[in-house]
Amino acid sequence: DSGVTQTPKHLITATGQRVTLRCSPRSGDLSVYWYQQSLDQGLQFLIQYYNGEERAKGNILERFSAQQFPDLHSELNLSSLELGDSALYFCASSLDRLGRDTQYFGPGTRLTVL
Amino acid sequence: GIQVEQSPPDLILQEGANSTLRCNFSDSVNNLQWFHQNPWGQLINLFYIPSGTKQNGRLSATTVATERYSLLYISSSQTTDSGVYFCADSGGSNYKLTFGKGTLLTVNP
Repeated sequence: DSGVTQTPKHLITATGQRVTLRCSPRSGDLSVYWYQQSLDQGLQFLIQYYNGEERAKGNILERFSAQQFPDLHSELNLSSLELGDSALYFCASSLDRLGRDTQYFGPGTRLTVL
Repeated sequence: GIQVEQSPPDLILQEGANSTLRCNFSDSVNNLQWFHQNPWGQLINLFYIPSGTKQNGRLSATTVATERYSLLYISSSQTTDSGVYFCADSGGSNYKLTFGKGTLLTVNP
């Protein structure tokens, strides 16, 4: 158990819908990262937050947004869902703001868009 | 950004055999991690190893940062070692981890 929790574990929805994925980092970690794992793109970085502020952006679509709350949990919002958004979404956390530290991954949320 | 190349892409072993997995990087190594993704999809941290050598039970890893590569050794493999092994690094100045495509390891009884 990495100490990072993610809910829900599985999510099945339809095209055009909106979903919210939730992540709670390890106790004491200030950085939260979101990654997407799909069959064609592999594991890709989406976005990072540090202590409530966005710090780095990767290959995140405009239909996707995220935020980190004062209690440090984070949410990833996916809207206008398409079939290609079906993937495993991971949240990771680390202590170091600059990411020069171990990133611990949560169990992931498996999203299926029908 | 940094490019990560893993080899071999697939590996099939008999239980008890040893193996070596390799990662090559296109940029300086700063934040190298090895992961095991089990058949249920969970990503498990194996090593944080930007340089040097570490050992944890039957697993060990070595990173030669000056030559931009890392090796993961699995000794006396067990069926529970099956899954995909990923290496990742953040490169010179980024926070994000860039992952390789992974090595799919199958250990047969």
